[in-house]
Amino acid sequence: DAKTTQPPSMDCAEGRAANLPCNHSTISGNEYVYWYRQIHSQGPQYIIHGLKNNETNEMASLIITEDRKSSTLILPHATLRDTAVYYCIVRRDYGGSQGNLIFGKGTKLSVKP
Amino acid sequence: GAVVSQHPSRVICKSGTSVKIECRSLDFQATTMFWYRQFPKQSLMLMATSNEGSKATYEQGVEKDKFLINHASLTLSTLTVTSAHPEDSSFYICSAKRGETQYFGPGTRLLVL
Repeated sequence: DAKTTQPPSMDCAEGRAANLPCNHSTISGNEYVYWYRQIHSQGPQYIIHGLKNNETNEMASLIITEDRKSSTLILPHATLRDTAVYYCIVRRDYGGSQGNLIFGKGTKLSVKP
Repeated sequence: GAVVSQHPSRVICKSGTSVKIECRSLDFQATTMFWYRQFPKQSLMLMATSNEGSKATYEQGVEKDKFLINHASLTLSTLTVTSAHPEDSSFYICSAKRGETQYFGPGTRLLVL
């Protein structure tokens, strides 16, 4: 699975959009981009994933560049409860019993009042 | 999203005793579950992949005789830490795969005295 690079930390003002970047320049054509977050002392929470097209759900939007070498997770109106470590993970869809997630160090997002 | 539970949420035990942690997928069946471990200020590290009805696959450096995994049904996987020692104190997190997405449990904090 391709390696990802994320900034170690970011700050965001409450109510503003939080834009979290991720570089994955070695991504292959069949690899998905997944985003998870981990709030302190809890298990990771699935946010969103995509392959080529931009994706949006009730939590966030995922913008993937046309060359797929980078992506941005957007939290449109950050709240204090969005303070967490955000992980960008690139992975094939192995299907079946394979396909564990490899976690890097992620980006620690601090939402400030 | 899918719901995964873990029990207990935290446990304190004496050195040399064994501790069992349960992971359940509450609203879906999971052929594959994963067990991770997270030490303070570090990222999640995969320990093993648990497949229903077959032996678990362990990552390099994880002792299979120390960390016993049983996945006897499509909704339950258990991790038993045998003869626990203080260095086994950690945050243990399971995940279950539904389709192409993994959903994580809330984690179990183990403290070995």
